Amino acid sequence: AQKITQTQPGMFVQEKEAVTLDCTYDTSDPSYGLFWYKQPSSGEMIFLIYQGSYDQQNATEGRYSLNFQKARKSANLVISASQLGDSAMYFCAMREGPGGSYIPTFGRGTSLIVHP
Amino acid sequence: DTAVSQTPKYLVTQMGNDKSIKCEQNLGHDTMYWYKQDSKKFLKIMFSYNNKELIINETVPNRFSPKSPDKAHLNLHINSLELGDSAVYFCASSQEVPFRDSETQYFGPGTRLLVL
Repeated sequence: AQKITQTQPGMFVQEKEAVTLDCTYDTSDPSYGLFWYKQPSSGEMIFLIYQGSYDQQNATEGRYSLNFQKARKSANLVISASQLGDSAMYFCAMREGPGGSYIPTFGRGTSLIVHP
Repeated sequence: DTAVSQTPKYLVTQMGNDKSIKCEQNLGHDTMYWYKQDSKKFLKIMFSYNNKELIINETVPNRFSPKSPDKAHLNLHINSLELGDSAVYFCASSQEVPFRDSETQYFGPGTRLLVL
């Protein structure tokens, strides 16, 4: 069963607008971590943001924020004020804690294109 | 300074050959990983080592053999290469602490392997 689901294969957004990339996850472990990575066309994987399952507040890192809705098991990435350089693949990932496997699992990614 | 480095960046070889990919991290992390990213961008973990000890070994053909001479290095050796091995291989590292679900992985630039 897929543990991380990214339902949007591709998204388009206009420069300077905000965009939300969806991610839902499946786990029965009460302790887990959620991550977002960016992969530009150059190929490297860049860590963006982390959210812990016990964190009370949504994580934020500059223009990136994570809309964490635990009951719905969703961890959507919000990019504010999109820039042309944000065009890339974005991957959501999860790592379970002591009750799970510790094996990091990735979603299939969302391709974001920012147009002027 | 490069945090996680891989060599070579590109590898083109014939079916049946044996090849190695090297990975080094200078972050002082205890845990290193190998991932395979296929042509559809799906990222899947292959192996993980913690302090030179194998801790994750996903369903990978035994033609793939990781070797960790010390905790800063994790090399991947592939015997009898097949067409289906063509992919991008990423090395990653993280600093493991007891709450391992919170550990962020930092990725190398990837090695693009093409088997002809």
